[in-house]
Amino acid sequence: QQPVQSPQAVILREGEDAVINCSSSKALYSVHWYRQKHGEAPVFLMILLKGGEQKGHDKISASFNEKKQQSSLYLTASQLSYSGTYFCGTESGGGADGLTFGKGTHLIIQP
Amino acid sequence: GAVVSQHPSWVICKSGTSVKIECRSLDFQATTMFWYRQFPKQSLMLMATSNEGSKATYEQGVEKDKFLINHASLTLSTLTVTSAHPEDSSFYICSARDNRGGNTIYFGEGSWLTVV
Repeated sequence: QQPVQSPQAVILREGEDAVINCSSSKALYSVHWYRQKHGEAPVFLMILLKGGEQKGHDKISASFNEKKQQSSLYLTASQLSYSGTYFCGTESGGGADGLTFGKGTHLIIQP
Repeated sequence: GAVVSQHPSWVICKSGTSVKIECRSLDFQATTMFWYRQFPKQSLMLMATSNEGSKATYEQGVEKDKFLINHASLTLSTLTVTSAHPEDSSFYICSARDNRGGNTIYFGEGSWLTVV
């Protein structure tokens, strides 16, 4: 079952923060976050495994609430290069299945 | 650099012909690779799971006789779109799981298929 992402789209000024949410009705084994620019393949950002964890690098971080089957991606002090479509991909199996992706969140960063 | 490579990046073929797309893991062995299709402005849809040395597992609604998958080695999976039709035109992307640590799934660069 496809995870639900919110918001569908967001427009920010450079330097502002954003939060993208991903929720599932199924028990999750892991959540993977990707950014895709137009015409290109998705680029891996980070993976969070069940057990409830939070990860981050640079100004992009994410959390995974296992009880709620929700993950959030946090973008702080956004840069122009952050523009793109963000997808969360979820796994419900033991880590051997393909990912089921949400519909994506379109992020536009304006100067 | 890229850890999963896909070829060709784009291809145009005539209706009724077959097209083969290759997916290679460059610096790790992948017993499992995944094939996705993405239509413009839509999400990625899993088509099938490619298993090295065994038959691929197809998602519901994906015709296995039309989308032939072969995973002959631990670093190569191929997708062949047979008897292509214009409605098969799409962005096809493969991915591979790196089990060395972190369980990260990397995507190839994608292949644009246009059937005319």
